[in-house]
Amino acid sequence: AQSVTQLGSHVSVSEGALVLLRCNYSSSVPPYLFWYVQYPNQGLQLLLKYTSAATLVKGINGFEAEFKKSETSFHLTKPSAHMSDAAEYFCAVRKTGGFKTIFGAGTRLFVKA
Amino acid sequence: DAGVIQSPRHEVTEMGQEVTLRCKPISGHNSLFWYRQTMMRGLELLIYFNNNVPIDDSGMPEDRFSAKMPNASFSTLKIQPSEPRDSAVYFCASSRTGGEENYGYTFGSGTRLTVV
Repeated sequence: AQSVTQLGSHVSVSEGALVLLRCNYSSSVPPYLFWYVQYPNQGLQLLLKYTSAATLVKGINGFEAEFKKSETSFHLTKPSAHMSDAAEYFCAVRKTGGFKTIFGAGTRLFVKA
Repeated sequence: DAGVIQSPRHEVTEMGQEVTLRCKPISGHNSLFWYRQTMMRGLELLIYFNNNVPIDDSGMPEDRFSAKMPNASFSTLKIQPSEPRDSAVYFCASSRTGGEENYGYTFGSGTRLTVV
């Protein structure tokens, strides 16, 4: 069965600092991996997805994530945080060819001025 | 494309009343998912449909919850009778699935349900 663990329910960074949100997954088969962002009072938006074509995946708003099979990780990074990045971020996993996506518990990102 | 459309955005109802949440998925998407989000439990998958057929409803909390998808452009989630513990934000999401393609989900804006 697939599962995903997000380390840290809250992360706080200063504006301009590196953003690092951690995600580890478990899957018995090669998975599809995703990061979603949720702004207050909105639904989740797809930030980026791992397609197996490249281990480093670039998404919207300057975010990227690196798939590391040996570490079963898919951490999300952004070189320089902006105030508008403050939101909740969800890592998610789905079995290749499967229907069902499992979401992590979410990490709330705070950006300080 | 208008995205996934959910209605109503907010619903306040009294305990024991029937509640119906509605969802219109993106045209061309063949899978539809209902999720519930609460502070305590996070995002929970309630049920998902593929090509209008319910595939897995193991996440539906109890018999008070039911979902239908009569056609490719419409789905409902019904709670009867409603209870205060059903208070949550309910999201509908749609996607293209099947084969080896890696599609993400498109979520609606959610329905915030409050049962008093």
